[in-house]
Amino acid sequence: GESVGLHLPTLSVQEGDNSIINCAYSNSASDYFIWYKQESGKGPQFIIDIRSNMDKRQGQRVTVLLNKTVKHLSLQIAATQPGDSAVYFCAENPRDNFNKFYFGSGTKLNVKP
Amino acid sequence: DAGVTQSPTHLIKTRGQQVTLRCSPKSGHDTVSWYQQALGQGPQFIFQYYEEEERQRGNFPDRFSGHQFPNYSSELNVNALLLGDSALYLCASSLYTGYEQYFGPGTRLTVT
Repeated sequence: GESVGLHLPTLSVQEGDNSIINCAYSNSASDYFIWYKQESGKGPQFIIDIRSNMDKRQGQRVTVLLNKTVKHLSLQIAATQPGDSAVYFCAENPRDNFNKFYFGSGTKLNVKP
Repeated sequence: DAGVTQSPTHLIKTRGQQVTLRCSPKSGHDTVSWYQQALGQGPQFIFQYYEEEERQRGNFPDRFSGHQFPNYSSELNVNALLLGDSALYLCASSLYTGYEQYFGPGTRLTVT
C-alpha cells in the first residue's frame, strides 16, 4: 500500500509566527497532492493543492512546497492565528488513480495566544 | 451552493447489525468516495462510485458495500458490524475528470 507520513505529530507555535508542517510520501508516481485541515468533530477541509509539475503554490496565507527529489511536501502558514489550530493532513493521489487519495496520520497544530 | 452533506450525524449500533450511511455530493460533482477515519488516524479509502458503479476499492472486506443513485447521491452499507468498525465515516465528492475533492462532515458510527 501507499505510505504518506508526517515528521511531527504535534506542532506548537505562537500566534503571529509562521508554521511549517511537513509530509513525506512514498510513491514517486504520485502526481497530485492536497493539504486538508480538520477541526475537531468536522470533516477535512480543502486548503490547497499542488500538481507534480509544480514546486510551489501559494494561497491566502498558505504556501505548499513540493520536493519531488526527496518526496517531501510542506505546508507553510503565515501569521498563524488561533483559528488555524487543527489537525493537518497531506493526501497524495497516484497517477491515473482518479480521486483515490492516501492520507498520513496528521499533524496537530496548536496555536498559543 | 450546498456542500457535501451526510446523514445521520451520529449512530450507535450493536455488533452483528447492519448500517446504512448516506451522502449527497456537492452540487455539480458526479463522483463520491467513502473513507473510514479511526480516532487519531488519517482517512482510509473504502471505495469510489461514478455513474452508479464502483470504480475503485481500497483494502476493505466485502461487508462494506455501496450504491450510487442517478442524482449522484450515495449510500455506504456495512454488514455484520464489528467493534473495529467504530469510526468516523467520511464522504468526499469530486468530478470524475478532476482532482479537487471535498469532504462532508462525516457520520460518527459507534459499535457496541
